[in-house]
Amino acid sequence: GNSVTQMEGPVTLSEEAFLTINCTYTATGYPSLFWYVQYPGEGLQLLLKATKADDKGSNKGFEATYRKETTSFHLEKGSVQVSDSAVYFCALSDRIGYGKLTFGQGTILTVHP
Amino acid sequence: DAGVIQSPRHEVTEMGQEVTLRCKPISGHNSLFWYRQTMMRGLELLIYFNNNVPIDDSGMPEDRFSAKMPNASFSTLKIQPSEPRDSAVYFCASQNEIMEPQHFGDGTRLSIL
Repeated sequence: GNSVTQMEGPVTLSEEAFLTINCTYTATGYPSLFWYVQYPGEGLQLLLKATKADDKGSNKGFEATYRKETTSFHLEKGSVQVSDSAVYFCALSDRIGYGKLTFGQGTILTVHP
Repeated sequence: DAGVIQSPRHEVTEMGQEVTLRCKPISGHNSLFWYRQTMMRGLELLIYFNNNVPIDDSGMPEDRFSAKMPNASFSTLKIQPSEPRDSAVYFCASQNEIMEPQHFGDGTRLSIL
């Protein structure tokens, strides 16, 4: 079956530091890959997506590249801000069936001034 | 455009009581998902509807849980009787096409005493 594995958190950084959150996946088909972000007390919001190998998703300074050869979709940001503090979820959607989302366990990011 | 709307935002009740959670999906979206989020198990898909029809309810924990979608603009998730282990945040999400991102509501935080 499908699965998503994220690096364990929590991750604590100082403002303007470089961020990497690792994500690897196992899928039976050719999935689409997503990063969702959850701010305290809110639902998940789509941060970025990639639908095929070598695609790069980007939004709000965050980037992730769909690497089929390493089955990875690592999230990066060059300079984090305090407002980036949140929980980040990697997810995949498989074309087989109805495109059910499989989520990683989430990574808590805290950015200090 | 209004996003996915869930009610209530918070619910506290005693075990044994019936609990009803409500969701209004984004207009025009034909898929609806109910998720449960806990610290121990992360995000779990409970049930998926397409065009108001339940397609996959394999994630519904037990017979105490039931979900309905009487029309395209409304869904309910009911727990009867409720138990303390049902305490969690319940999210509703909607989607307009398979493989497109899901849009989440802000969730209902449920506490069963």
